[in-house]
Amino acid sequence: DGGITQSPKYLFRKEGQNVTLSCEQNLNHDAMYWYRQDPGQGLRLIYYSQIVNDFQKGDIAEGYSVSREKKESFPLTVTSAQKNPTAFYLCASRPPGQGVSPLHFGNGTRLTVT
Amino acid sequence: DAKTTQPNSMESNEEEPVHLPCNHSTISGTDYIHWYRQLPSQGPEYVIHGLTSNVNNRMASLAIAEDRKSSTLILHRATLRDAAVYYCILRRNSGNTPLVFGKGTRLSVIA
Repeated sequence: DGGITQSPKYLFRKEGQNVTLSCEQNLNHDAMYWYRQDPGQGLRLIYYSQIVNDFQKGDIAEGYSVSREKKESFPLTVTSAQKNPTAFYLCASRPPGQGVSPLHFGNGTRLTVT
Repeated sequence: DAKTTQPNSMESNEEEPVHLPCNHSTISGTDYIHWYRQLPSQGPEYVIHGLTSNVNNRMASLAIAEDRKSSTLILHRATLRDAAVYYCILRRNSGNTPLVFGKGTRLSVIA
């Protein structure tokens, strides 16, 4: 079945360590997105990519980095510079060029940094 | 994208209809109205979208006011599995800019 896979579901790290969250899609979508969600809050955009080898900062990109070397993959690295990394991270994808086409989301990675 | 306003929370009894309101007074002529919902500990899922006319699908109905300044998502018979946060989002039909999610409405369904 086509979809978006985020792994792992739960991730624990010590403060000061970088950590990379995986996002893979087999929907053949060009556009991919990373959102962060804190308890009781909506989603906030971290980074997005509309095509391979290109990506743009979202509203809260500081302390994060991404790469887009393959269409299927859009990994997010949470660096030690991110002040409050503990959160629920959601990856999404979308077909290109169609303003009304819906986003498809993965089931998220819950990151806890202590 | 223009802003939307939704109640923080709503409650419904199981098997009764639920009307989830959304105000979007600054909507432009090319903005589509999208609804997503997020079940606990999951990613959001698409529910429905519309432009001017009311829309129905297997999950819900979307009623859009004539002036388009408000809309209502209708769940015809709420079940316990409909307990979720519902997001109303405006999406311009151009380009590929990301969706902006507000805090949504948390729907509780009582058995």
